[in-house]
Amino acid sequence: GESVGLHLPTLSVQEGDNSIINCAYSNSASDYFIWYKQESGKGPQFIIDIRSNMDKRQGQRVTVLLNKTVKHLSLQIAATQPGDSAVYFCAENIEIQGAQKLVFGQGTRLTINP
Amino acid sequence: DAGVTQSPTHLIKTRGQQVTLRCSPKSGHDTVSWYQQALGQGPQFIFQYYEEEERQRGNFPDRFSGHQFPNYSSELNVNALLLGDSALYLCASRGQGRIAGELFFGEGSRLTVL
Repeated sequence: GESVGLHLPTLSVQEGDNSIINCAYSNSASDYFIWYKQESGKGPQFIIDIRSNMDKRQGQRVTVLLNKTVKHLSLQIAATQPGDSAVYFCAENIEIQGAQKLVFGQGTRLTINP
Repeated sequence: DAGVTQSPTHLIKTRGQQVTLRCSPKSGHDTVSWYQQALGQGPQFIFQYYEEEERQRGNFPDRFSGHQFPNYSSELNVNALLLGDSALYLCASRGQGRIAGELFFGEGSRLTVL
């Protein structure tokens, strides 16, 4: 079925430290995942995506890892800054006959302590 | 370049009433999706519009309907409002040739049903 979930609802890290946000999915046929960031009072914002033919993808200060064996993906944020405080969602992209929908997890609230 | 704009930003309705929410997609985008985000939850897909037609629909009753206009803007209509319809309604747009999972979200319309 369609399901993505998060291991922890909240995460608190010191500014400058690295953070890791985890996500599990249930459908072994899932092949495309996206991470979104939602700041307070705003809509979700695309961070990075990864397809199932990859194990790792890097962006600016962010890395997404995909482990298809255990159906798990993670978002690593390096050298966290105050602006990284937000709720982070993993989402699965499902496309049917050219129409697309995102199935979001519940989210992890990341707090950066000064 | 204006992003996705939604109106109204906040509104209060009573049970049984009807509501219309509006969305203008990001310039150059032709596909619009609507999501419902309950407090503390991830967004849930309602439906997607492309070429003025509903292309895919999530698990929402027929009380939820939409429309897309020739200029790609969109409306979400909810009839016979229930208390459980209280949520943040997010509009997202996507253009052709873009990263498949990169949706651009508006800031949402927060609906409170009393």
